Amino acid sequence: QSALTQPRSVSGSPGQSVTISCTGTSSDIGGYDYVSWYQQHPGKAPKLVIYDVIKRPSGVPDRFSGSKSGNTASLTISGLQAEDEADYYCCSYAGSYTWGFGGGTKLTVL
Amino acid sequence: QVKLVQSGAEVKSPGASVKVSCKASGYTFTTYNIGWVRQAPGRGPEWLGWISTKSGSTNYVQKLQGRVTMTTEASTSIAYMELRTLRSDDTAVYYCARLDRSGSSWPDWGQGTLVTVSS
Repeated sequence: QSALTQPRSVSGSPGQSVTISCTGTSSDIGGYDYVSWYQQHPGKAPKLVIYDVIKRPSGVPDRFSGSKSGNTASLTISGLQAEDEADYYCCSYAGSYTWGFGGGTKLTVL
Repeated sequence: QVKLVQSGAEVKSPGASVKVSCKASGYTFTTYNIGWVRQAPGRGPEWLGWISTKSGSTNYVQKLQGRVTMTTEASTSIAYMELRTLRSDDTAVYYCARLDRSGSSWPDWGQGTLVTVSS
């Protein structure tokens, strides 16, 4: 089963935009439009912020957006706010009822 | 609203077994499948497996084949994950999560169950 590659950390100032990448293979990200992103604050369960590559669940601000090109998916957070500081994880379906997660990216709001 | 409530923290000795429960409410249990994910301290989530709440079919991550069993009890809307022959590197927070209808994402999560394996 897949393990997806994310940068360990990113940072930005309030109001700026940041993009977090997630690289997989043609067997996961490249093969399906089933990429999701999760936000996790310390001691809490992950929270879904993007699904099906580009869709936002209700209640998630439109500052969060997703995209995909080839085997790499990206999460962009625009208009950074202090409460966006968290760990972010990507996830992709990898076929045959298997899924893989990325190692996580720590977002610091300066 | 959808809620997944997991059983409490466990401390186990190496070689023992643990069974974590996940009680679902707020929706019809058999219309959405359940997955299990664990997160070791300071690490990213690791997908452990998936169970069809309708048929009981399962698929487990290769590294845990033979040590993990996932089951459900439709009458009580509870999913279970049992892990046997515990090792120290099984120490993690274990989460259940509801799979969306298309199978693309995990919109709802339990609160997590800390399993500590220590002699």
